[in-house]
Amino acid sequence: GAVVSQHPSWVICKSGTSVKIECRSLDFQATTMFWYRQFPKQSLMLMATSNEGSKATYEQGVEKDKFLINHASLTLSTLTVTSAHPEDSSFYICSARTSGRAEGLSYTQYFGPGTRLTVL
Amino acid sequence: QKEVEQNSGPLSVPEGAIASLNCTYSDRGSQSFFWYRQYSGKSPELIMFIYSNGDKEDGRFTAQLNKASQYVSLLIRDSQPSDSATYLCAVYSSASKIIFGSGTRLSIRP
Repeated sequence: GAVVSQHPSWVICKSGTSVKIECRSLDFQATTMFWYRQFPKQSLMLMATSNEGSKATYEQGVEKDKFLINHASLTLSTLTVTSAHPEDSSFYICSARTSGRAEGLSYTQYFGPGTRLTVL
Repeated sequence: QKEVEQNSGPLSVPEGAIASLNCTYSDRGSQSFFWYRQYSGKSPELIMFIYSNGDKEDGRFTAQLNKASQYVSLLIRDSQPSDSATYLCAVYSSASKIIFGSGTRLSIRP
């Protein structure tokens, strides 16, 4: 299957600082990438959808000025958590969608390994 | 009504038995369906996808799709303790988005 990497795998930062998380599709081109957040024992929550070369589309309730997304190339998307606070501590997971169509139908979405953010 | 519904569980199955996970979806125009496995503290991993009505088998896993009933299931034969995880059903909807269910927690007891 397709491989998606994320860096860093974990990060601890002080309140008020900004953190950048990178998401790369290693062996395929991803015109669309997704950013999710997951709190302990809760389900995935889609934060935003990013398309290469255009502005990200944010889900309702997600602050676009706080969670900056840049999808600069077909293999790289970044999420920057600006002025992080303890309530931003979570597991952030990116996902990349293949553009190929299998069996004449839709796309498949592959997940990165996730980044665990802890804000002190 | 949620777009993709799953029983949250936990579903407890004895080792060696068949685990049956179910999912229903609301968008009749949905085209394809996915099952992901998520271990605690890890990100989801794609197990199977299915597009056509009927069964699709891959090793110990069988996905079943019934578009008329808007129902998709995952069977795990010869369940192993390592199968204990949360299983996410996902649907590629007519709005060109993949919608995830909230997951079913499966526990395989030795």
